[in-house]
Amino acid sequence: DIVMTQSPDFLAVSLGERATINCKSSQSVLYTSTNKNYLAWYQQKPGQPPKLLISWASIRESGVPDRFSGSGSGAIFTLTISSLQAEDVALYYCQQYYSNPFTFGPGTKVDI
Amino acid sequence: DVQLVESGGGLVKPGGSLRLSCATSGFTFSTYTMHWVRQAPGRGLEWVSSISSSSSYIYYTDSVKGRFTISRDSAKNVFYLQMNTLRVEDTAVYLCARGPDGYNPIDNWGQGTLVTVSS
Repeated sequence: DIVMTQSPDFLAVSLGERATINCKSSQSVLYTSTNKNYLAWYQQKPGQPPKLLISWASIRESGVPDRFSGSGSGAIFTLTISSLQAEDVALYYCQQYYSNPFTFGPGTKVDI
Repeated sequence: DVQLVESGGGLVKPGGSLRLSCATSGFTFSTYTMHWVRQAPGRGLEWVSSISSSSSYIYYTDSVKGRFTISRDSAKNVFYLQMNTLRVEDTAVYLCARGPDGYNPIDNWGQGTLVTVSS
């Protein structure tokens, strides 16, 4: 199974400042024949199900504010919130869908 | 609108069984892979199982293999998770979710149903 790790566990950022979350996979999730990274980022607010923010490591879902961006390739990835807003307080998870089981990272809590 | 609504959770003793259901609407059920993901109290997300649109591809996380069975009924737009020989560590909110067939991210989620395994 591919093991996903995230850092930090907890991140406190001032309003308007940048938040950066790191995600590493125990093996590459880059499928060379498609040149795609099979990596997603989800946001989960208290009492709500997760919401898909970014797929294929860097493709923002429709309706996701452009302050959210994803980057990275292979086994190292980053989610960046360029200017933190109050509504961005949440847990953030990365997930690989390169191979079954589709494992999640342990999550990063972002707070003000 | 896409809707996924779980039911069937509850309190069960260790060794007992439960069947979770996920009723879906607002999309063509027969073309999507369906997933179960769980979240233990205060913990992170754990992918549990998935079933492809044709039921040809079924996967489980190791900790539930041989105990849980996923299935789907395309006539009713519902899919299920039969959970047998439940353990205390299976206690969690179970969320149903969908994703396009193949190796694709989960793009819609239900609200979840709580399963509590306790004596």
